[in-house]
Amino acid sequence: AQSVTQLGSHVSVSEGALVLLRCNYSSSVPPYLFWYVQYPNQGLQLLLKYTSAATLVKGINGFEAEFKKSETSFHLTKPSAHMSDAAEYFCAVLEAFTDKLIFGTGTRLQVFP
Amino acid sequence: ETGVTQTPRHLVMGMTNKKSLKCEQHLGHNAMYWYKQSAKKPLELMFVYNFKEQTENNSVPSRFSPECPNSSHLFLHLHTLQPEDSALYLCASSPRGDRGSGANVLTFGAGSRLTVL
Repeated sequence: AQSVTQLGSHVSVSEGALVLLRCNYSSSVPPYLFWYVQYPNQGLQLLLKYTSAATLVKGINGFEAEFKKSETSFHLTKPSAHMSDAAEYFCAVLEAFTDKLIFGTGTRLQVFP
Repeated sequence: ETGVTQTPRHLVMGMTNKKSLKCEQHLGHNAMYWYKQSAKKPLELMFVYNFKEQTENNSVPSRFSPECPNSSHLFLHLHTLQPEDSALYLCASSPRGDRGSGANVLTFGAGSRLTVL
């Protein structure tokens, strides 16, 4: 079975600092991986997705993620945090043959001035 | 109106009430989903509909009853719920591209916050 693990349920950074949110996946086949963001009182919004093309994927709002097969990782980064980035971030894998999206437990990002 | 719209945004109900959550998508998608989001737990997939047919019921108790009259509308009928059913219920839709193509990207609504007293 495929799964994702998000390390750290809470991450705090200062405004302008690097954002790094960790996601490791488990899959016996090449995975399709996603990052979603959830702002307060809203649903989930797609940030970016990896579908076996370029290993470095650029998303919205300056975020990007790098697929590393050797490390089974798909970490999300942003060079400079903004206050508006405060939200919960979910990593997800598309389950092979069923197309079900399997989510991690989420990481809440806090940004301090 | 575009995207995925959920109503009501907030609902408080007693354990003996009957209520319904509504979801509508204006994206021309063929698949619709109900997810349950509880604090400190991963999102739980509840139901999946493809072209109005239910293709997934993830062992959801019968007090939750979905209905999909067409590809644009999805309901979740609620009856004799328990306090532990209090959660954010998220509806999503997707284009349902070729299986395994990675094209099945979900678009979510803002959710219906349910409180069961």
